[in-house]
Amino acid sequence: SQQGEEDPQALSIQEGENATMNCSYKTSINNLQWYRQNSGRGLVHLILIRSNEREKHSGRLRVTLDTSKKSSSLLITASRAADTASYFCATDALGGGADGLTFGKGTHLIIQP
Amino acid sequence: GAVVSQHPSRVICKSGTSVKIECRSLDFQATTMFWYRQFPKQSLMLMATSNEGSKATYEQGVEKDKFLINHASLTLSTLTVTSAHPEDSSFYICSAPDARTTNEKLFFGSGTQLSVL
Repeated sequence: SQQGEEDPQALSIQEGENATMNCSYKTSINNLQWYRQNSGRGLVHLILIRSNEREKHSGRLRVTLDTSKKSSSLLITASRAADTASYFCATDALGGGADGLTFGKGTHLIIQP
Repeated sequence: GAVVSQHPSRVICKSGTSVKIECRSLDFQATTMFWYRQFPKQSLMLMATSNEGSKATYEQGVEKDKFLINHASLTLSTLTVTSAHPEDSSFYICSAPDARTTNEKLFFGSGTQLSVL
């Protein structure tokens, strides 16, 4: 089964609103990463949070990690039409490095102008 | 960040032909390259891991004779879909870690949409 499971699978909001996506995983991890994929393109790394961190910010992105619940959330504030994309969490299992990254099924985010 | 260039971005071929997809690391040395397959609105499925100068490691269920991977240099890895059939139609993406970022993050090519008629 997938190591990372995002929810919701799809999310549609109005421009300017905040978008929150969640990711749950099963095994212990070194870090958790979020990637973005525009339609028909490759993935772009957004942010990495380590297992000993609880929250991290990067511009309009805020990521939280709760290792006790094995879950993470990605918050995009003040969304823009250009944020429309699919967002994937990826977990780096203990001892895996990039070799051990496992991707979830993704959340498809649509920002309505 | 590191740049991975993938070509072609789109290819349409006849059933039975072979298609080669190239991934180049432009500004770093990619000792390892990961090849993924992605179906519409689905996650990435790791097909194989290629390492420069050695044989690729294939995931369970991936036919190594059908998906030939070559990683002859530190900047180039290729995936050849041999005797392609319509069921091979998919989006193929490569990615590589950059040792300058402690190999934790992956840098992706832009993907290749393969359509087999």
